[in-house]
Amino acid sequence: DSGVTQTPKHLITATGQRVTLRCSPRSGDLSVYWYQQSLDQGLQFLIQYYNGEERAKGNILERFSAQQFPDLHSELNLSSLELGDSALYFCASSAVGTGMNTEAFFGQGTRLTVV
Amino acid sequence: AQKITQTQPGMFVQEKEAVTLDCTYDTSDPSYGLFWYKQPSSGEMIFLIYQGSYDQQNATEGRYSLNFQKARKSANLVISASQLGDSAMYFCAMRGGSYIPTFGRGTSLIVHP
Repeated sequence: DSGVTQTPKHLITATGQRVTLRCSPRSGDLSVYWYQQSLDQGLQFLIQYYNGEERAKGNILERFSAQQFPDLHSELNLSSLELGDSALYFCASSAVGTGMNTEAFFGQGTRLTVV
Repeated sequence: AQKITQTQPGMFVQEKEAVTLDCTYDTSDPSYGLFWYKQPSSGEMIFLIYQGSYDQQNATEGRYSLNFQKARKSANLVISASQLGDSAMYFCAMRGGSYIPTFGRGTSLIVHP
């Protein structure tokens, strides 16, 4: 158990809908990362939050947004969903220092299926 | 920009034998960290091992070791005495000055009995 909790584990929704994925980082970790894993794209970095502030953005679509709350949990909002958004979405957290040697610990992921 | 390349889409190994999974990286950062993760069929990403760019010795964690060759920019994972439970996807990742972990495309390892 990595200590990172993601809910829900599975989500099936229709095109055009909006969903929210939730992540609770490991106790004490201030940094949260969101990744999308699809078969043809591998593990793609979406966005990072550090202590409530957006720190870095990757290949995140405008239809997607995220935030980190004062209790450090994070939510990833996906709207106007398309079939191509079907993927495994991971949240990861890392320790306070976010240095080179601090590994990111991953949650179990949310498998999103858009039908 | 940093890049991770894993050239082996799939690897097969006999149980109890050793296997090496290749990883090369590219970065202009003078300081960086290299990581390996395992993703079994259940989907979770499990951290295996870490190597710092200034570490003099190769990292070792149980049956996992990282063969770090800085001049060649390679960070190969060696799994000794393979077990059936080692069958999984393996991802090489690095973290440089941007502090964002960047991942390779992964290598699928199948361990035969």
